[in-house]
Amino acid sequence: GQSLEQPSEVTAVEGAIVQINCTYQTSGFYGLSWYQQHDGGAPTFLSYNALDGLEETGRFSSFLSRSDSYGYLLLQELQMKDSASYFCAVEEGQNFVFGPGTRLSVLP
Amino acid sequence: NAGVTQTPKFRVLKTGQSMTLLCAQDMNHEYMYWYRQDPGMGLRLIHYSVGEGTTAKGEVPDGYNVSRLKKQNFLLGLESAAPSQTSVYFCASSYSTSGNTYEQYFGPGTRLTVT
Repeated sequence: GQSLEQPSEVTAVEGAIVQINCTYQTSGFYGLSWYQQHDGGAPTFLSYNALDGLEETGRFSSFLSRSDSYGYLLLQELQMKDSASYFCAVEEGQNFVFGPGTRLSVLP
Repeated sequence: NAGVTQTPKFRVLKTGQSMTLLCAQDMNHEYMYWYRQDPGMGLRLIHYSVGEGTTAKGEVPDGYNVSRLKKQNFLLGLESAAPSQTSVYFCASSYSTSGNTYEQYFGPGTRLTVT
């Protein structure tokens, strides 16, 4: 079956670096995405990895290892506004499977 | 561009009632999706469409129907609402390049309560 695992909660202080891991077991794999969702809001796209390696977009980076069925999102120079839920999502052909989400709390 | 819009934003239904949620996108995207999100959980795919006139089942399709008569619109119907369908419903759209669907653009969501 399909399953994605993420830590349920992560806490860090402003200015720190945090890594959110995602492991997956799916029947097909085209790529791994990351989305941010603030309370009461809609998910917004952060990054996408189709190939192994690191993708960097400003303060956010995402890594993928297809052989290990593993990826992570790295957030640097944390800001209070980064407090949100973060979801990994596997693209399986024409549809997506989302992980349960990781709630990040950034403390002053 | 408005992006992805959803109508209505909130709705309360009684068990057994029916309703249709409307999703519209103005980005000329081929792919459209309907998800539900229950409190503290991730998004679960209900149905999706890879083009006008096509629909397919996702992870949790039971109790829902969809239609994609126009490329820009994707409708989600509940024929006989049940309390288990109380949730926040998100619509999304995406394009595809080189076989990868890449980024999904989400609407603001519809908060549905079934009593």
